[in-house]
Amino acid sequence: DAGITQSPRYKITETGRQVTLMCHQTWSHSYMFWYRQDLGHGLRLIYYSAAADITDKGEVPDGYVVSRSKTENFPLTLESATRSQTSVYFCASRVGTSGIVETQYFGPGTRLLVL
Amino acid sequence: AQSVTQLDSHVSVSEGTPVLLRCNYSSSYSPSLFWYVQHPNKGLQLLLKYTSAATLVKGINGFEAEFKKSETSFHLTKPSAHMSDAAEYFCVVSEEYGNKLVFGAGTILRVKS
Repeated sequence: DAGITQSPRYKITETGRQVTLMCHQTWSHSYMFWYRQDLGHGLRLIYYSAAADITDKGEVPDGYVVSRSKTENFPLTLESATRSQTSVYFCASRVGTSGIVETQYFGPGTRLLVL
Repeated sequence: AQSVTQLDSHVSVSEGTPVLLRCNYSSSYSPSLFWYVQHPNKGLQLLLKYTSAATLVKGINGFEAEFKKSETSFHLTKPSAHMSDAAEYFCVVSEEYGNKLVFGAGTILRVKS
């Protein structure tokens, strides 16, 4: 049971470059999420998706783009990376039961350094 | 808007002594609350969640949390700390049936031998 995986686990890039972080889940969960974790802020929601081709902004979406053409994949793209996007990025997923608070399950994270 | 305040950024206990990690929340309606744990260089793991059923919630690894509406608190406890409990703990409040999670800043728990 692979669960939820992220790739790459570590990435170093330069300012202005485009970077794509991958997230893959094997549970067929409807919802998927991207968070960033910075010291003193806990995790903050970047984008989320309720199903294929349905995405919505979270708390800190600026500078990021997402897509979801398949249920199991939810890539996050930094179109032109900036130093302020140096962070640890977590992907999460959950089932989509209507009206019930379901648990989000998190991937292992991707550490991104923008030079 | 909902918010979470974790009252201690660091907590240090001796192995075998009780653990108390404090969390206060702000919510305009009946909240759902979670505690997650993050071990170094790992992802987040759910410890327990409160969703308006019993106010005392039991989680994994001997952890418990009590929802107190009058105090707007959801403190995490464990009777006896183990070395493996050393990690960072996040209190989380949920909007939209678990879609928008609002995280506290985290509490780092250190367990001394």
